[in-house]
Amino acid sequence: DTAVSQTPKYLVTQMGNDKSIKCEQNLGHDTMYWYKQDSKKFLKIMFSYNNKELIINETVPNRFSPKSPDKAHLNLHINSLELGDSAVYFCASSQDSTSGSYEQYFGPGTRLTVT
Amino acid sequence: GDSVTQMEGPVTLSEEAFLTINCTYTATGYPSLFWYVQYPGEGLQLLLKATKADDKGSNKGFEATYRKETTSFHLEKGSVQVSDSAVYFCALSSGGYNKLIFGAGTRLAVHP
Repeated sequence: DTAVSQTPKYLVTQMGNDKSIKCEQNLGHDTMYWYKQDSKKFLKIMFSYNNKELIINETVPNRFSPKSPDKAHLNLHINSLELGDSAVYFCASSQDSTSGSYEQYFGPGTRLTVT
Repeated sequence: GDSVTQMEGPVTLSEEAFLTINCTYTATGYPSLFWYVQYPGEGLQLLLKATKADDKGSNKGFEATYRKETTSFHLEKGSVQVSDSAVYFCALSSGGYNKLIFGAGTRLAVHP
C-alpha cells in the first residue's frame, strides 16, 4: 500500500496553462506539505496544512494555490504556468505539526516540465 | 533565519570505503535534525534522526550524532555498498509547525 501518493507522476505543459497536482495519504496523518525541488536538487517548503487549515505559506507566487478538501488530501493548483515553475513537486505528511521531531513521509514526486 | 549547510558532492567511493558527509546548521532554539535519502527517481525517505543534543541516530549502518557545541550532524558509514548510491539531505525542523529546512543535498556514487 502506498503511504503518500501523487498524480500525475509526469506533467508536460505549455506556458500560460493551468494545471493541478493531487496528493493523498493513507497514514491517518493530520499534517500535509508541498515542497519544490529545483533542477539542482534543492528542496524548499511551499505550503503546509494541518487538518485542512493552512499553517505554512512560504513566499510563493499567488499563482500557486493549495487546497485541502479533507485531511487525507492536499492538491496544488498552478495558474498561468511559467518556465521557472519546471521542477519536481513533492507532497509529504506527518503525524501532526505540534512536534518538530515527527518524521515526514514523502510521495514519489511529480515532475512538471513547462515548455 | 535557520539554515543547513552540507558538503558539496558528488562524493565518489569504492565499495567498502568509509563515508563521511558533513552537515552544519544554524538555528534558534533546539531543532530536531534529520538525514533523508533520495534514491534515483524516488521520493525522500527518512534515514535517521536525532531530537536533542548528544543523541545518536542510526539506521542501516549509518550514524550521525547531534553536536550542539559544533552545530553539526555529520553522517557516517563504516563500509558503503553500491546500493547506497543516492542523494543525501541533511535537514532541521525549524520553528513551529514541523517545517523542514534542507541542505543542498550530497550525491554519493559508490563503485564496485
